[in-house]
Amino acid sequence: DTGVSQDPRHKITKRGQNVTFRCDPISEHNRLYWYRQTLGQGPEFLTYFQNEAQLEKSRLLSDRFSAERPKGSFSTLEIQRTEQGDSAMYLCATSPAGSTGELFFGEGSRLTVL
Amino acid sequence: EDQVTQSPEALRLQEGESSSLNCSYTVSGLRGLFWYRQDPGKGPEFLFTLYSAGEEKEKERLKATLTKKESFLHITAPKPEDSATYLCAVQAPGGSYIPTFGRGTSLIVHP
Repeated sequence: DTGVSQDPRHKITKRGQNVTFRCDPISEHNRLYWYRQTLGQGPEFLTYFQNEAQLEKSRLLSDRFSAERPKGSFSTLEIQRTEQGDSAMYLCATSPAGSTGELFFGEGSRLTVL
Repeated sequence: EDQVTQSPEALRLQEGESSSLNCSYTVSGLRGLFWYRQDPGKGPEFLFTLYSAGEEKEKERLKATLTKKESFLHITAPKPEDSATYLCAVQAPGGSYIPTFGRGTSLIVHP
């Protein structure tokens, strides 16, 4: 069990550029979540997949954000036309079918928008 | 809207000085309440799940309890390695298992 893997761990970009983060879940975990966390705050929910289906999206997820999970395995989160307010830690978490809600988090991808 | 409020925001303890962290919640029909530990620059690490009032869970120096309105994380004789941010999350009824997190309590234990 290699745990939830996220890539890249750190990304520095200029305002207006596009960025993409990848999350590789624990094998056989069919539920996958993206959260965003800023300094001093708890994780804020962005979106949720069950297998390849995106079942929930937060109002925080503007049209500049898009997430995919092709074939129900890894997931990507893309942010287009980044803004300074997008600077945050982007956390991926997964859980197995039948779980009552405990999540297994990756180490996160820290985004800095200059 | 479901709310989770954690207090205090920050807590400094001396090694061996026991204390408690609080998590108050407002959610109808709580499906589960979760405690996580988060070290700086890392993702949260799951500690406990509590489902019903009166339930208690223990792990080493940590003990979590649950009432109908709040949960406590008791830390007995803490050590410096217990220093971390402790996050509480709640899950409301519904088809999707999506926990809502509080802002956390930052704990520092001095040797």
